[in-house]
Amino acid sequence: GEDVEQSLFLSVREGDSSVINCTYTDSSSTYLYWYKQEPGAGLQLLTYIFSNMDMKQDQRLTVLLNKKDKHLSLRIADTQTGDSAIYFCAESPGNTGKLIFGQGTTLQVKP
Amino acid sequence: AAGVIQSPRHLIKEKRETATLKCYPIPRHDTVYWYQQGPGQDPQFLISFYEKMQSDKGSIPDRFSAQQFSDYHSELNMSSLELGDSALYFCASSQITAGQRAYEQYFGPGTRLTVT
Repeated sequence: GEDVEQSLFLSVREGDSSVINCTYTDSSSTYLYWYKQEPGAGLQLLTYIFSNMDMKQDQRLTVLLNKKDKHLSLRIADTQTGDSAIYFCAESPGNTGKLIFGQGTTLQVKP
Repeated sequence: AAGVIQSPRHLIKEKRETATLKCYPIPRHDTVYWYQQGPGQDPQFLISFYEKMQSDKGSIPDRFSAQQFSDYHSELNMSSLELGDSALYFCASSQITAGQRAYEQYFGPGTRLTVT
């Protein structure tokens, strides 16, 4: 079935690293995505990873994928107050294009 | 860079009324997706169109219909509105990259629909 799970809340101090975790169920998902949503705003595509990759780095963002355990994580280095937002991971079952989102993790960054 | 445009940004309707939401995808994008996000919830896929044909359907009520026009813009028509339809409605667009098949979906700012 299609199900994506995330922890709901994470609080870190400015300058620390943040790690947001996600588990998914559909092994047919070729790509896995991370989106960021600020209050009252749309969803911003942060990054995505191809399912045959273990890791992808993009500036302060590092995505790790454990395909065997269907576990995805997003690491934000040197977290800033501007990173405070809700982070959604998403899968695309059967690579159909439609996205199945997790519940979202609220990241709170304390100064 | 051009982004996805949605109109209107805010809409207030009464129960049993109809509403039409519009979406203008990023230029040269051939696929449009509609999502519904209730308060405090994750976005739920409603429907998608590729090259003006419906490509996938999710949890879209029968009261809702959508289409994609020749200029690739899309409209979501909602009839017999219910209180539970109050939500943020997002449109996203993508361009299928030949060979890569990566669906980089870019979201619009959303239309906030309030049904009273």
